[in-house]
Amino acid sequence: SQTIHQWPATLVQPVGSPLSLECTVEGTSNPNLYWYRQAAGRGLQLLFYSVGIGQISSEVPQNLSASRPQDRQFILSSKKLLLSDSGFYLCAWSGVSNTDTQYFGPGTRLTVL
Amino acid sequence: QKEVEQNSGPLSVPEGAIASLNCTYSDRGSQSFFWYRQYSGKSPELIMSIYSNGDKEDGRFTAQLNKASQYVSLLIRDSQPSDSATYLCAVNIRGRRALTFGSGTRLQVQP
Repeated sequence: SQTIHQWPATLVQPVGSPLSLECTVEGTSNPNLYWYRQAAGRGLQLLFYSVGIGQISSEVPQNLSASRPQDRQFILSSKKLLLSDSGFYLCAWSGVSNTDTQYFGPGTRLTVL
Repeated sequence: QKEVEQNSGPLSVPEGAIASLNCTYSDRGSQSFFWYRQYSGKSPELIMSIYSNGDKEDGRFTAQLNKASQYVSLLIRDSQPSDSATYLCAVNIRGRRALTFGSGTRLQVQP
């Protein structure tokens, strides 16, 4: 069966510091991968999606970037965090045969102070 | 108009009652619809998917889809306090690579 991991689970960072969040998927090949952000009491905002290694599409212009160095690894980064980057970051995957159905990882709660 | 719209709630129902959660969407050509449950502080968990008009049942959950009226609903029978959560509606909007989510409806089941 497929599983998706995210780490760290929680993170507290000062404004202006860098960020690296990691997501890995097990049990599937060539997944589509997604990064979402959920601000407190808000809906899910799609940040990036990827259909393959090195293929990243950005949905929202901001100070975040994403990379996919391996088939089942997706990384979210920032060089300098802003207060507004605080939120719940969710990685999700969908399969090649059924690209509609998305499954979420446990998430990373980021607080920028 | 929002692309996927849900009443934020909270929707409060007594234990054992039927909870009815509704969602409307703007893209008439959408073909795939999903319901996720999100407990406080946790990530969304897929409950059901529905692709055709009509009802789809899975245990205590029934998803209903009406493409002509552009709404999808989720019924939870015999509601339990453990069903208390935020329920997210998601739609595959044409031309998008990822699902578009509503802002969710918070359900409270009173013991």
